[in-house]
Amino acid sequence: SYELTQPPSVSVSPGQTARITCSGDGLPNQDAYWYQQRPGQAPVLVMYKATERPSGIPERFSGSTSGPIVTLIISGVQAEDEADYYCQSTDRSGSGVFGGGTKLTVL
Amino acid sequence: QVQLQESGPGLVKPSETLSLTCTVSGGSISNYYWNWIRQSPGKGLEWIGYIYYSGSTKYNPSLKSRVTISVDMSKNQISLKLDSVTAADTAVYYCAKSVVRGVIITSVYGMDVWGQGTSVTVSS
Repeated sequence: SYELTQPPSVSVSPGQTARITCSGDGLPNQDAYWYQQRPGQAPVLVMYKATERPSGIPERFSGSTSGPIVTLIISGVQAEDEADYYCQSTDRSGSGVFGGGTKLTVL
Repeated sequence: QVQLQESGPGLVKPSETLSLTCTVSGGSISNYYWNWIRQSPGKGLEWIGYIYYSGSTKYNPSLKSRVTISVDMSKNQISLKLDSVTAADTAVYYCAKSVVRGVIITSVYGMDVWGQGTSVTVSS
């Protein structure tokens, strides 16, 4: 079955840059999206079509692509950025698929 | 500003049907795709399916035989039914609006508005 692979965890100190990767065979032909989910809350879209930032999302969030890997980049990480992050795309059948999620820890 | 609110029973017995409703306020259902997503306790997100306001649907193949998503334009509501539930269907269920509007799609686009989620436990 089609999968999106993310690292289970990423740790950074405040002010540093966090990079969370998502790899999948269908990327970059299929668009990728990123969500932030804080504990007990619904996910929030923080990046669409891999590199586009929705309105209201801080400029420290950005995205990049390189072949089958998309990366969410958080520059100048703040304590409030500690959360789970999920990538999402479309599989070969046209169905939605999420990555397994990455827990970002701000040390 | 569109807001979504899920509602339904918090407890469902095994083998029965899970039925949830998502009420859309602050905007119309028209021209958008509406998704259901679930998250099992301590686990990641799982896409269940979407419906276009016209009624066309797309389901996760792993759930397709048990899922029905429908739309009620008069009530501005989207519904989810999941048949023959087991403990594995215990999860928080979310509805969410796709960013894309007014076009026929062959992909699952990002979702920019989410409900707060409703917790469903399958247990006798």
